[in-house]
Amino acid sequence: GIQVEQSPPDLILQEGANSTLRCNFSDSVNNLQWFHQNPWGQLINLFYIPSGTKQNGRLSATTVATERYSLLYISSSQTTDSGVYFCAGGGHSGTYKYIFGTGTRLKVLA
Amino acid sequence: KAGVTQTPRYLIKTRGQQVTLSCSPISGHRSVSWYQQTPGQGLQFLFEYFSETQRNKGNFPGRFSGRQFSNSRSEMNVSTLELGDSALYLCASSPGLPPGEQYFGPGTRLTVT
Repeated sequence: GIQVEQSPPDLILQEGANSTLRCNFSDSVNNLQWFHQNPWGQLINLFYIPSGTKQNGRLSATTVATERYSLLYISSSQTTDSGVYFCAGGGHSGTYKYIFGTGTRLKVLA
Repeated sequence: KAGVTQTPRYLIKTRGQQVTLSCSPISGHRSVSWYQQTPGQGLQFLFEYFSETQRNKGNFPGRFSGRQFSNSRSEMNVSTLELGDSALYLCASSPGLPPGEQYFGPGTRLTVT
């Protein structure tokens, strides 16, 4: 089945720094999402981005579907950005399920 | 619009027992998916339902089952619980366009002792 790789697995930043998180897919997907999981386990939707670029405040994302990867940019990071970031791809081979990456654990230091 | 709700939020069961978890999707959404999250295996897809039909199933034993009702609410059941079933169980809903943007509930944290 499809494999989803996220990098880096762990990231420590000083407040105010910028970062780029990457998600690679082993096969084409028709749908792609980025999530932030809070300490209570809730998955918060960041972007639904099968292709192209989107921005929401300090966060932006770019998906290059033809090259099977997506990037999440966090600018001017804040301590509240800490947590685990997941990407998930779905709709591959006519299926109706999302496959999640193993996540990037981000810690932003004050 | 209310979000995805899951009940119960926390549950403690004993090995060998069975458990039923419930998920109510966002109003108007017809697709419900279930995921299991553990520290060792990460987030894994269990199954997905659309209009009361299971469209996809993950690689889990037959002890894991689910169903969807006509109002799109869904339940999942785990029989003969094992210690390894301790996990956060997450439900997601989407409008139904395959697969579409998914919205997750807060999860049910199951502990098996």
